[in-house]
Amino acid sequence: DAKTTQPPSMDCAEGRAANLPCNHSTISGNEYVYWYRQIHSQGPQYIIHGLKNNETNEMASLIITEDRKSSTLILPHATLRDTAVYYCIVRVASLTGGGNKLTFGTGTQLKVEL
Amino acid sequence: EAGVVQSPRYKIIEKKQPVAFWCNPISGHNTLYWYLQNLGQGPELLIRYENEEAVDDSQLPKDRFSAERLKGVDSTLKIQPAELGDSAVYLCASSPREGVDTGELFFGEGSRLTVL
Repeated sequence: DAKTTQPPSMDCAEGRAANLPCNHSTISGNEYVYWYRQIHSQGPQYIIHGLKNNETNEMASLIITEDRKSSTLILPHATLRDTAVYYCIVRVASLTGGGNKLTFGTGTQLKVEL
Repeated sequence: EAGVVQSPRYKIIEKKQPVAFWCNPISGHNTLYWYLQNLGQGPELLIRYENEEAVDDSQLPKDRFSAERLKGVDSTLKIQPAELGDSAVYLCASSPREGVDTGELFFGEGSRLTVL
C-alpha cells in the first residue's frame, strides 16, 4: 500500500471548517483513500473513503485532486468533540473483505478550540 | 447494535508474567483483527482472522505472543512472558466479509497494558 504524509498537528476554531491535508504521491490506480479518526482513549473510527471522485457523508467531505496525489478531509463546522488524531490511509479495496488490512501512519492531531 | 467489546480495559502486570486480552466482535462479522498501538504511534496489525483461520500473522511475535479464535467468534490474544516493551494499547477490530468492501473496520476501545 502507498505511503501517506500528513502534518503532525493542526488547530481549528470551533464552528470553522477544518481542512486536513494528506499527500499520497505514490498512490496506484486501484488504491482508495480512507480517513479514520481516533479520539483520546478510544479505538479508531471510520470517517469516509474515495477513489477519485469527491465524496461527502454526514461526518465529512473528501476532496481528491485530479492526479490523485493528494487529498483533503473537510470537517465543515468543527466542534470540540472533533478533537482527535486523523489518519489518512491508502489501500487496495478487496471485494472479498479479506483485504481489509489498514496501515496507519502517525496521523494529524487536530485540536479544536473555542 | 453492540460494538466490538474488549476486556480488560486496563491491565498492570510485572514483567515475565502472562497476560490475556479478550475480544468479542460485532455479531456476523467474519473478519477479526488485533492491532498494537504504542504511545504516539498509529495502530499496527498483529494478526487477522477470517472466521477461525489466521490468514495474516506475519507481524505477530510468535515467541511470546499467541492468539486464537475458536469457533470463529470471540478471540483471545496472549502474551507470555510479558516484557517492558509490551506496554501498549491492544486494539481489536472486526469487519464483515461478504458484500462490497467499504474498508470500514469497527474498533473496540482497546486494552491498555502496563508492564512494570
